[in-house]
Amino acid sequence: QVQLVQSGAEVKQPGASVKVSCRASGYTFTDYRIDWVRQAPGQRRVWLGWILPNSGEAYYVQPFQGRVTMTRDTSSNTAYMELSRLTSDDTAVYYCARDFMGSYAHWGQGTLLTVSP
Amino acid sequence: DVVMTQSPLSLPVTLGQPASISCRSSQSLVHSDGGTYLNWFQQRPGQSPRRLIYEVSNRDSGVPDRFGGSGSGTDFTLKISRVEAEDLGIYFCMQGTHWPYTFGQGTKLEIK
Repeated sequence: QVQLVQSGAEVKQPGASVKVSCRASGYTFTDYRIDWVRQAPGQRRVWLGWILPNSGEAYYVQPFQGRVTMTRDTSSNTAYMELSRLTSDDTAVYYCARDFMGSYAHWGQGTLLTVSP
Repeated sequence: DVVMTQSPLSLPVTLGQPASISCRSSQSLVHSDGGTYLNWFQQRPGQSPRRLIYEVSNRDSGVPDRFGGSGSGTDFTLKISRVEAEDLGIYFCMQGTHWPYTFGQGTKLEIK
């Protein structure tokens, strides 16, 4: 069955960077786009962008451009999302999700990032 | 960006009774390919979101038939015909027609 397994919770200081992984199994990794979504406490979910595992092409939503980098390793079927220059506003649960036809049938379990001095 | 507005944000329900959640978009969700990419998800505490409905009204495999989606254009509804205890949680809509994808605020379904 399709599974997306994310890395564990992180605690970072302001100004630091974080790299979250998302390991896919149960399907051909390069056949589907991987999107990243986050939900900060009390806020609605926000789309960060996506990566195409076959080519490595990535698209980032404007508020995160310059701070987010999405990469992938096809040898391990893993997608990565790195966010730099962290502030307390980046405290959130980060999810990867497999996109198909404008929808997410499969999500990772979420990675809690806490940014605190 | 397309703004997705859900109502109500809190929905106290009596078990066995129906429930309905509205999701409205700031612009039409009809894609140039003719599809309407409006999704509904359920999220229980401590769990990842689970997709219930895609393309307005298509129920995912394993989703009970008491869940139904309807609507068109900018106005969409998720209905639960008879709420069961396992249905409690957060429900949110998401549009996948326009970039960036955007989400509703979420509706908390709770026992009255």
